Amino acid sequence: GAVVSQHPSRVICKSGTSVKIECRSLDFQATTMFWYRQFPKKSLMLMATSNEGSKATYEQGVEKDKFLINHASLTLSTLTVTSAHPEDSSFYICSAFRTLQPEAFFGQGTRLTVV
Amino acid sequence: GENVEQHPSTLSVQEGDSAVIKCTYSDSASNYFPWYKQELGKRPQLIIDIRSNVGEKKDQRIAVTLNKTAKHFSLHITETQPEDSAVYFCAARTREGSNYKLTFGKGTLLTVNP
Repeated sequence: GAVVSQHPSRVICKSGTSVKIECRSLDFQATTMFWYRQFPKKSLMLMATSNEGSKATYEQGVEKDKFLINHASLTLSTLTVTSAHPEDSSFYICSAFRTLQPEAFFGQGTRLTVV
Repeated sequence: GENVEQHPSTLSVQEGDSAVIKCTYSDSASNYFPWYKQELGKRPQLIIDIRSNVGEKKDQRIAVTLNKTAKHFSLHITETQPEDSAVYFCAARTREGSNYKLTFGKGTLLTVNP
């Protein structure tokens, strides 16, 4: 099946710093990628839809200035958590649909811890 | 937008028993319903899916049923094994403009006791 790779898998950063998470589609082109946030023992909450070459679409309640999304190519989307605070600590996962296939392919996830 | 409800939130069964997880959705335009298994700290893995033009699909010990009229779908796992223990998510896919969007249920923590 299609492969989506996410990096880094774990990151620890200090409060006030920014962290960039990369999501790559390795064997297909993804015009659209999705970013989710998952709290412990909770469901995947869609944060935003990343569209190649245009602005991301954010879900209600998600701060677009805090969670910067860039989808500069058909195989790469990045999520930057700016001025991170401990409450931003979470598991972030990206996913992508492959053209003509209905299933979503997920990255490995990134465990962000802000200290 | 779409709303997906999933029950139960936790389910404990004995090895060899069956497990059933149920989901309902609100948007009649949803046309694809995947089920994901997620182990702790790992990515969700697709285990089975069903399209809206099919009522039932089976893959070995796993089956999914869909009732479009009632807008609900269910996951059935037979002959459960300890390795089936994980969190299971249902989802419904809708189209928003030119994009597809997946809405997930809250998840079911399945524990299979040896």
